[in-house]
Amino acid sequence: QQPVQSPQAVILREGEDAVINCSSSKALYSVHWYRQKHGEAPVFLMILLKGGEQKGHDKISASFNEKKQQSSLYLTASQLSYSGTYFCGTSKGGSNYKLTFGKGTLLTVNP
Amino acid sequence: EAQVTQNPRYLITVTGKKLTVTCSQNMNHEYMSWYRQDPGLGLRQIYYSMNVEVTDKGDVPEGYKVSRKEKRNFPLILESPSPNQTSLYFCASRISAYGANVLTFGAGSRLTVL
Repeated sequence: QQPVQSPQAVILREGEDAVINCSSSKALYSVHWYRQKHGEAPVFLMILLKGGEQKGHDKISASFNEKKQQSSLYLTASQLSYSGTYFCGTSKGGSNYKLTFGKGTLLTVNP
Repeated sequence: EAQVTQNPRYLITVTGKKLTVTCSQNMNHEYMSWYRQDPGLGLRQIYYSMNVEVTDKGDVPEGYKVSRKEKRNFPLILESPSPNQTSLYFCASRISAYGANVLTFGAGSRLTVL
């Protein structure tokens, strides 16, 4: 069962902030975030394993609310290079062997 | 260079003509997986393999077969392709099926079935 991502698409001006949400109807073991630039393969951003865990990478950070079964990706002071489609992947149970991705959020950053 | 290599990158074929998309990784990863990507549907898992000779269905396995005879290779077989299998296919691998491990994706194979 695919996690639900919102919004489906967002357009920003350089320097603006964005939040991408990922939610599931089932209990989650982990949440994975990947970014795919146009015409390229998805590339890893971060993994969150525990409820309440937050991580950051440059000006991109994420949180995982285990109780609400959701994760949010925060992009701060967006740069042109942030443009792409963001996917969250979720796994259930005690392992990550079946990773199910959402439909993606298309982020466009304009000058 | 650590990588996942898929071939062919582009293929146009006709309905019913068997084809194989190869996937090879040079990182000694235990876990490998195939995804298909379609507009508006995101990445959907077709099959995955936790190790040699251990494979299992993902969310959309119908019409596909896989095998894992060697650790480095995980081919995707379409025995009788149909137009609804026109898609962009990604192979991915990671060091283990367990724990917080990063998926490394191949460059993708764009398949068109006429």
